[in-house]
Amino acid sequence: AQTVTQSQPEMSVQEAETVTLSCTYDTSESDYYLFWYKQPPSRQMILVIRQEAYKQQNATENRFSVNFQKAAKSFSLKISDSQLGDAAMYFCAYRARTGTASKLTFGTGTRLQVTL
Amino acid sequence: ETGVTQTPRHLVMGMTNKKSLKCEQHLGHNAMYWYKQSAKKPLELMFVYNFKEQTENNSVPSRFSPECPNSSHLFLHLHTLQPEDSALYLCASSQGLADFSGANVLTFGAGSRLTVL
Repeated sequence: AQTVTQSQPEMSVQEAETVTLSCTYDTSESDYYLFWYKQPPSRQMILVIRQEAYKQQNATENRFSVNFQKAAKSFSLKISDSQLGDAAMYFCAYRARTGTASKLTFGTGTRLQVTL
Repeated sequence: ETGVTQTPRHLVMGMTNKKSLKCEQHLGHNAMYWYKQSAKKPLELMFVYNFKEQTENNSVPSRFSPECPNSSHLFLHLHTLQPEDSALYLCASSQGLADFSGANVLTFGAGSRLTVL
């Protein structure tokens, strides 16, 4: 069974600084998708960024980028120029390519605090 | 109103009460989901519906009873719950279930915070 591990329950970053959230996963599949979701205090889970395993290029969405290391099964999220609105729970998730949209496996989350 | 809307936002109930959670999506999606979110645990998928038909039930106790009258609405009926059922219940929707492109991303609601006394 696939597992997703987020080893940092809490992280803190100063406004305008850069922070990296870690995620590792375990799978025997060769083709899959990885996601980072953000859950702010409003509680609505929002997709931040998505990576296809067959793509070597790391995904980027504005201030958010990932470091995808397929051999190491690592998928970290880098947030540059952190803003107060980035404070939230961040969840890493995995899904096999052949799986349905429901087959997401989530990690336990990392709570990010942004300080002035 | 757009997106996925869940009501109520907060619910407190006794173990003998009967209550329902409601989810409505205005995205034209065909698949809807119930997830349970407990502190320090990964999200747990509970039920999946596709075109109003239940396609997955992940061994959820019968005190949780889902209902999907159409592709836009999803309910979770609650009866004789236990204190350990206290959690955030998230509804989500997606265009469909089959997805080989990774583009069929889930859209979540803001959840219903349930407290069972």
